[in-house]
Amino acid sequence: KAGVTQTPRYLIKTRGQQVTLSCSPISGHRSVSWYQQTPGQGLQFLFEYFSETQRNKGNFPGRFSGRQFSNSRSEMNVSTLELGDSALYLCASSFSDRQYFGPGTRLTVL
Amino acid sequence: GENVEQHPSTLSVQEGDSAVIKCTYSDSASNYFPWYKQELGKRPQLIIDIRSNVGEKKDQRIAVTLNKTAKHFSLHITETQPEDSAVYFCAAGSDAGNMLTFGGGTRLMVKP
Repeated sequence: KAGVTQTPRYLIKTRGQQVTLSCSPISGHRSVSWYQQTPGQGLQFLFEYFSETQRNKGNFPGRFSGRQFSNSRSEMNVSTLELGDSALYLCASSFSDRQYFGPGTRLTVL
Repeated sequence: GENVEQHPSTLSVQEGDSAVIKCTYSDSASNYFPWYKQELGKRPQLIIDIRSNVGEKKDQRIAVTLNKTAKHFSLHITETQPEDSAVYFCAAGSDAGNMLTFGGGTRLMVKP
């Protein structure tokens, strides 16, 4: 099976802009979770979608949102970008409780 | 919410030695404990996991132990090799869904 894919791999944006990141899970996996990875805060959970519904949400401001489509592909959106949003954004797909990560999207906010 | 602490933050060992990384968690509802290896510039890779109904699990040179009473779990790597050099993350999850709380990571360096 093909692994988890994420697009784009790299993004450069300026403060105040918005961005949309995409994640395609492993075929047959219905759960997609999103994480933010930074050197200072480590790996932090953003949210999880299962069968097009948000099932869990981490402690991030409302500027961070997501959705999941009927084919299990997921997108996350960050509005009004801040410098501190610069990070590697990872998605992970799951069939049960094991999570398999995609390569991530490296977002740089200038 | 859950809090996972991981120690040490860096670990340097000689090739062939063993390496042990320890994690503690706070939420007694946590019942799933995976370990991930992340090489520089790569995605985190699941290397082993354990559920709370098991005390120990082994896969070749890697083993994980869990002490539910003390709320801690450990990763053991035997006969370390240079390719084991990476950052290792422990995590905790529960039946509430696929929401993992990660430890801060351990940078393991295996010197040839």
